[in-house]
Amino acid sequence: EPEVTQTPSHQVTQMGQEVILRCVPISNHLYFYWYRQILGQKVEFLVSFYNNEISEKSEIFDDQFSVERPDGSNFTLKIRSTKLEDSAMYFCASSDELAGVTDTQYFGPGTRLTVL
Amino acid sequence: AQRVTQPEKLLSVFKGAPVELKCNYSYSGSPELFWYVQYSRQRLQLLLRHISRESIKGFTADLNKGETSFHLKKPFAQEEDSAMYYCALLYNFNKFYFGSGTKLNVKP
Repeated sequence: EPEVTQTPSHQVTQMGQEVILRCVPISNHLYFYWYRQILGQKVEFLVSFYNNEISEKSEIFDDQFSVERPDGSNFTLKIRSTKLEDSAMYFCASSDELAGVTDTQYFGPGTRLTVL
Repeated sequence: AQRVTQPEKLLSVFKGAPVELKCNYSYSGSPELFWYVQYSRQRLQLLLRHISRESIKGFTADLNKGETSFHLKKPFAQEEDSAMYYCALLYNFNKFYFGSGTKLNVKP
């Protein structure tokens, strides 16, 4: 069964550094999402992406964040200048149709980002 | 503003006992609600959604607009049901709001 994959599984970085988290969604999916989960807290929506542009974003997704689909398979989340509070598990998800109405989101295993 | 509340962080029941995981929501529009589950060392996955009115692994959830609730129920809990359960609300075009989650522990 196809799965969403994410790399790396764990990323350690220094505060102020840029990081890129990578995701490979399921191949025929059209909608892509990023979420984060700070340790011990809820899963928080960051952004959804469709047709090569952001369709929705949350208040968390400020100018420090950007997403890109550089080729036909990868979907990346970039944090330009990491802060300590960016330390979290970051989940990628993809869906075939508008999630919820006709299809579900499939989640990746997550990337644990640690900012020192 | 939209909100999802799961009042219990941890719920422990014995195998065979009924279980109910509570979820209340706040949303001015027409809600679409879901339950997601995360088993130990596994990824987050959809358990069920209110729109399909299905029963998955013996779990059901009914949307009660009067009480703004979407509680997850199972009449007889199994040990393999032990997991984190998240209630989630879909709002606007394509945004999700997750509750803080309830850890279900089913004891033998």
